Amino acid sequence: ETGVTQSPTHLIKTRGQQVTLRCSSQSGHNTVSWYQQALGQGPQFIFQYYREEENGRGNFPPRFSGLQFPNYSSELNVNALELDDSALYLCASSQARGSGNTIYFGEGSWLTVV
Amino acid sequence: AQSVTQLGSHVSVSEGALVLLRCNYSSSVPPYLFWYVQYPNQGLQLLLKYTTGATLVKGINGFEAEFKKSETSFHLTKPSAHMSDAAEYFCAGLNAGGTSYGKLTFGQGTILTVHP
Repeated sequence: ETGVTQSPTHLIKTRGQQVTLRCSSQSGHNTVSWYQQALGQGPQFIFQYYREEENGRGNFPPRFSGLQFPNYSSELNVNALELDDSALYLCASSQARGSGNTIYFGEGSWLTVV
Repeated sequence: AQSVTQLGSHVSVSEGALVLLRCNYSSSVPPYLFWYVQYPNQGLQLLLKYTTGATLVKGINGFEAEFKKSETSFHLTKPSAHMSDAAEYFCAGLNAGGTSYGKLTFGQGTILTVHP
């Protein structure tokens, strides 16, 4: 039990649709990151939020966007879904960015695009 | 840019045998290093981490890893494998500076199979 909760756990969307994934970070954690894990691969960094501002982004197109709220929970939004967006989306939280503090992951949201 | 390489996408051992999962990192700045385990259809669970100080790090479930700067390695070991250790293992490095500040870079993963 990491204290990081994600919803929904599974969902199926049609190509071209939009999806919102949600993450509740561990209490006291002000940094949230999102990762995409395609089948058979390691997680890939999408972006990170620190105190409600995006402060790092991986090699993902602008149709991947996010938000962090005052309570440090976060959303990942993906527009114009493509088949290759099918993956496990992982949320991770930590107490402070880049400090080597333990980074805790949620169970993930499985997205299937058909 | 930092990269993490895991040697061997699949490792198979017998129950009771030594487990050795290899990880090498490439970075101009010594990173913080982590090992995570992922069981089927689950998220990532932290096994252990290296930040500073002692280079031999002990984690949960009897795993340990040694940070060797001269070899840029952070291999994961366990003296005696259990059936319950069967899972996928990921080595990751955390950038503590530069434009990738706070980003975890993962290796491709190693699937560990344990035979009775």
